[in-house]
Amino acid sequence: DTAVSQTPKYLVTQMGNDKSIKCEQNLGHDTMYWYKQDSKKFLKIMFSYNNKELIINETVPNRFSPKSPDKAHLNLHINSLELGDSAVYFCASSQDLAGGPGKTQYFGPGTRLLVL
Amino acid sequence: AQKVTQAQTEISVVEKEDVTLDCVYETRDTTYYLFWYKQPPSGELVFLIRRNSFDEQNEISGRYSWNFQKSTSSFNFTITASQVVDSAVYFCALSEANSGYALNFGKGTSLLVTP
Repeated sequence: DTAVSQTPKYLVTQMGNDKSIKCEQNLGHDTMYWYKQDSKKFLKIMFSYNNKELIINETVPNRFSPKSPDKAHLNLHINSLELGDSAVYFCASSQDLAGGPGKTQYFGPGTRLLVL
Repeated sequence: AQKVTQAQTEISVVEKEDVTLDCVYETRDTTYYLFWYKQPPSGELVFLIRRNSFDEQNEISGRYSWNFQKSTSSFNFTITASQVVDSAVYFCALSEANSGYALNFGKGTSLLVTP
């Protein structure tokens, strides 16, 4: 069973379209994240949710809107896609515990978004 | 400012050589976490190790070992007797309370192991 899954794996779309990426984790974790990896492979946090509550909202254009229907899911909706949005988007999850396995983030396989 | 510095952009070694990947971090928190992740050519991010700021013990896992030194703010990663399958991009990352424990990644070191 996949621990953190994302759909779709690949997404090719035209500029101006709206698209969503879905993420699900079956690890029982209470914190989920979205990261963006650019063409130079630099990874940067976008959002974080803890028990469906937004915790981190980095300086991301408001065309990006995360939604967490429950603590096992964190979706990313992107409006009016631009060329610069082309990247790999990774979802991750962790358990909010100070010790033991807490704070370790496990990543999904990534969604490769190409905006034409 | 970059909180995690991986000075080596690319390293190329021949199989069976030992290789050390450097990581230097910057934080004002007394409690923080350090991580290494591997990203093979297939693209997924694979968790390798987590270290807490209050645990400076070095760790060995098979051919992998990690050297955590708070005095120099470094968390270096050594692969002993490297293999072709070790070829990947390796990321060091820092997690702190004041950033909501999000991972702050270094720019990665691309390791190529040739036969």
